Amino acid sequence: RKEVEQDPGPFNVPEGATVAFNCTYSNSASQSFFWYRQDCRKEPKLLMSVYSSGNEDGRFTAQLNRASQYISLLIRDSKLSDSATYLCVVAGSDSNYQLIWGAGTKLIIKP
Amino acid sequence: EAGVTQSPTHLIKTRGQQATLRCSPISGHTSVYWYQQALGLGLQFLLWYDEGEERNRGNFPPRFSGRQFPNYSSELNVNALELEDSALYLCASSYSGGASEQYFGPGTRLTVT
Repeated sequence: RKEVEQDPGPFNVPEGATVAFNCTYSNSASQSFFWYRQDCRKEPKLLMSVYSSGNEDGRFTAQLNRASQYISLLIRDSKLSDSATYLCVVAGSDSNYQLIWGAGTKLIIKP
Repeated sequence: EAGVTQSPTHLIKTRGQQATLRCSPISGHTSVYWYQQALGLGLQFLLWYDEGEERNRGNFPPRFSGRQFPNYSSELNVNALELEDSALYLCASSYSGGASEQYFGPGTRLTVT
């Protein structure tokens, strides 16, 4: 089992719709969680950190479910500019335990 | 505030040559990470430097090496280049090591012919 698993997609979603995808992780001691987005042939950019209480930033909401060991990302009122690959990132409790990157979920927003 | 910078933007080498890639972290960041991303694939962790020391390395052969300088900038060296080394090489920095959020530079696109 991979340490961080994501559905590779692509998710084809009409503009204005709501889309959600999950990411599962294997290390129950993981303490830090992030979502990044990566546009084609560009560097990943931090989208948001995921806190135990959840996190919302505008149209984006991230949730953490420790019991089932997954994090989720919800995008409301999707825009064409949301088309990208979304990377799930997980880290452990040890400061030497670095970030583990998922392979990404590709999202395509269609007009 | 300036972000992570990388040079060169593009690099073309022939098989067997050596490549040197450079990275300057965000001011105040002490950790630098190197990743390889082949076209259409995910990020593959290469190396992590913090306070001038190599803290961890990924599953890559020894011909991939690097160092971090006293000003926290870093360079990645790839010796005896192979065709499959062609990829986007990304550098990221973080305020503290390990589990901290990372910020990426634009990458160096290495092409080996």
